Amino acid sequence: QKEVEQDPGPLSVPEGAIVSLNCTYSNSAFQYFMWYRQYSRKGPELLMYTYSSGNKEDGRFTAQVDKSSKYISLFIRDSQPSDSATYLCAIALYEGGQFYFGTGTSLTVIP
Amino acid sequence: KAGVTQTPRYLIKTRGQQVTLSCSPISGHRSVSWYQQTPGQGLQFLFEYFSETQRNKGNFPGRFSGRQFSNSRSEMNVSTLELGDSALYLCASRPSVGELFFGEGSRLTVL
Repeated sequence: QKEVEQDPGPLSVPEGAIVSLNCTYSNSAFQYFMWYRQYSRKGPELLMYTYSSGNKEDGRFTAQVDKSSKYISLFIRDSQPSDSATYLCAIALYEGGQFYFGTGTSLTVIP
Repeated sequence: KAGVTQTPRYLIKTRGQQVTLSCSPISGHRSVSWYQQTPGQGLQFLFEYFSETQRNKGNFPGRFSGRQFSNSRSEMNVSTLELGDSALYLCASRPSVGELFFGEGSRLTVL
């Protein structure tokens, strides 16, 4: 069993829609949760970084962690064509530890 | 502040050859990690170096090796290349702990 599972999509939504991206993980010991965005032919860039349950908001992006269900989500409000990319969730046991990445969800926002 | 720089960006090799990839981390970052990214497997962790010592290691065969120099620059080497080694190799740096900052990757094609 992989440490983290992510629905690969692809996901296609109209501009302005609310997008929900989700991952599940296997071990309740994981404490650090991240979301990365990767544009085509680029390296991943960090969107959100959190180590607690609950919500963390940054502009149009909200990361949600439910440790009891071992479920993490990223919500994108008012989605824009520039949000079209692959979104990767990542988890780590401790702050200096190895990151485990989901396989990524490909998102297309249609103008 | 300059980002993570990887060279070369693209390269083509044939089976049985070896390859060396280079990574210059963000100034001040002492940790460098390497990942292999393929469409089917996503991002898979190879190894992490911190202050010239390997701190974490993924589940890859011994053909994959790395090192870090005193200026934090890192190289990874793949010997006896196989077709399945074709992938995007990503380098990421961080100060010591915390989030990873990725380069744009080196795309290796093995023929």
